[in-house]
Amino acid sequence: AQKITQTQPGMFVQEKEAVTLDCTYDTSDQSYGLFWYKQPSSGEMIFLIYQGSYDEQNATEGRYSLNFQKARKSANLVISASQLGDSAMYFCAMREGPGANNLFFGTGTRLTVIP
Amino acid sequence: EAQVTQNPRYLITVTGKKLTVTCSQNMNHEYMSWYRQDPGLGLRQIYYSMNVEVTDKGDVPEGYKVSRKEKRNFPLILESPSPNQTSLYFCASSLQRGNEQFFGPGTRLTVL
Repeated sequence: AQKITQTQPGMFVQEKEAVTLDCTYDTSDQSYGLFWYKQPSSGEMIFLIYQGSYDEQNATEGRYSLNFQKARKSANLVISASQLGDSAMYFCAMREGPGANNLFFGTGTRLTVIP
Repeated sequence: EAQVTQNPRYLITVTGKKLTVTCSQNMNHEYMSWYRQDPGLGLRQIYYSMNVEVTDKGDVPEGYKVSRKEKRNFPLILESPSPNQTSLYFCASSLQRGNEQFFGPGTRLTVL
């Protein structure tokens, strides 16, 4: 079974609107971490936001927030007030266990922001 | 500037010709990893290292070797590259286990 599932290969959003990118995960560990990375067309991987499994509040970083629903095993990324520069691939990833170094990545969602 | 660097950024080679992709970080991170990215598959871990002289296999280690003789460097070695190793390779590092990983700029490898 896939550990990280991103069901949206591509998404479009109008500039200045909010968009939600879906991510579901599969783990039996109680302690885990969830990450979102952005990959622009230039290819680098940019860390956006992190949510620990024991964090009670949803993580936020500027225009990014992570909608963490533990019971549903989902960790959706919400981007508010989309900008043209947000057009990129977005990857959800999970670390299993408190000290694991491996990240399991989803297949990504390509977001296109329309002017 | 804190960063992870990789060299070369682009490489075209032929089957069987040994190559090394270098990775270096200047953040004194203990943990370093190599990933490959293929279309439709996301990123998959090849090898990782928890400290100097401590390395272990990730999910797709076949055909690769690594070494960690110094804390800052973590080279990826392909002893006999094959066309199925054509991919985009990322090196990453993190301060501690479980923390966010900082990625290098990527190395696009083509094996003919």
